Amino acid sequence: DSGVTQTPKHLITATGQRVTLRCSPRSGDLSVYWYQQSLDQGLQFLIQYYNGEERAKGNILERFSAQQFPDLHSELNLSSLELGDSALYFCASSVGTGTPKETQYFGPGTRLLVL
Amino acid sequence: AQSVSQHNHHVILSEAASLELGCNYSYGGTVNLFWYVQYPGQHLQLLLKYFSGDPLVKGIKGFEAEFIKSKFSFNLRKPSVQWSDTAEYFCAVNAYNNNDMRFGAGTRLTVKP
Repeated sequence: DSGVTQTPKHLITATGQRVTLRCSPRSGDLSVYWYQQSLDQGLQFLIQYYNGEERAKGNILERFSAQQFPDLHSELNLSSLELGDSALYFCASSVGTGTPKETQYFGPGTRLLVL
Repeated sequence: AQSVSQHNHHVILSEAASLELGCNYSYGGTVNLFWYVQYPGQHLQLLLKYFSGDPLVKGIKGFEAEFIKSKFSFNLRKPSVQWSDTAEYFCAVNAYNNNDMRFGAGTRLTVKP
C-alpha cells in the first residue's frame, strides 16, 4: 500500500458524459500527478499540481482538467467522454515541491470504461 | 521531447535465471532515469532511479541498472530471478528540469517456478 488512495476503483459511463476522479495523496505529500494508461498510448503523464498550483503539464486533452484543493486532495475531471478515453487513470504523489528527481508514489488507479 | 523504448515486450524465464531488460531513451540533455515495477493487481512502485554519479545503481529486491550515456541506455538487471519477480516493468525518463515523465511501453516478465 503506497498511501495514495483513489476513488472510485471502477467507473462505467457513456460517451458524451462527464466524470470526476478523486485522489488523496500520502500524508504530508504536497505534489500530485495524474497519469493515463491505455492499451494504445501506454502510460502518459497528464498533469502535476504542487500545493494547489499547476506545476507541469503533459499530454492532457483540453476536455480534461484537474485541480488540487486546500486539503491537498486532487480531482481529475474528464468531459465529453469518448470511447478512446477508456483507460486506467493513476494518481501519484511526492513529498516535496515536485522536482523531477522526487520519488513518486502511485495509487491503485481508477479504471474508466466509456461505452 | 524525450521518448523511451523498451524492446522486450514479454520475457519468460525460469527461476534462478539472470535477467536483463533493455531500455533506451532519446533526449539530448541531462535526464533522470527510473525503473518502476507493477506486480499483478498492485500499484506501480519505484525499483530504482538514477540522477548522477555512479552509473551503476542498486535498487530494491536485488535489482540494479546501469546508465550508459553513450548508448542512451538504462538496462535493468538481476542475477537470479524468483517467481515473485513476475510483474510488468516500466522504464521512465524525465528531463532534469521537467516533470513530464515519459514511460516505456513496459516489459512483462513471467518467471516460471
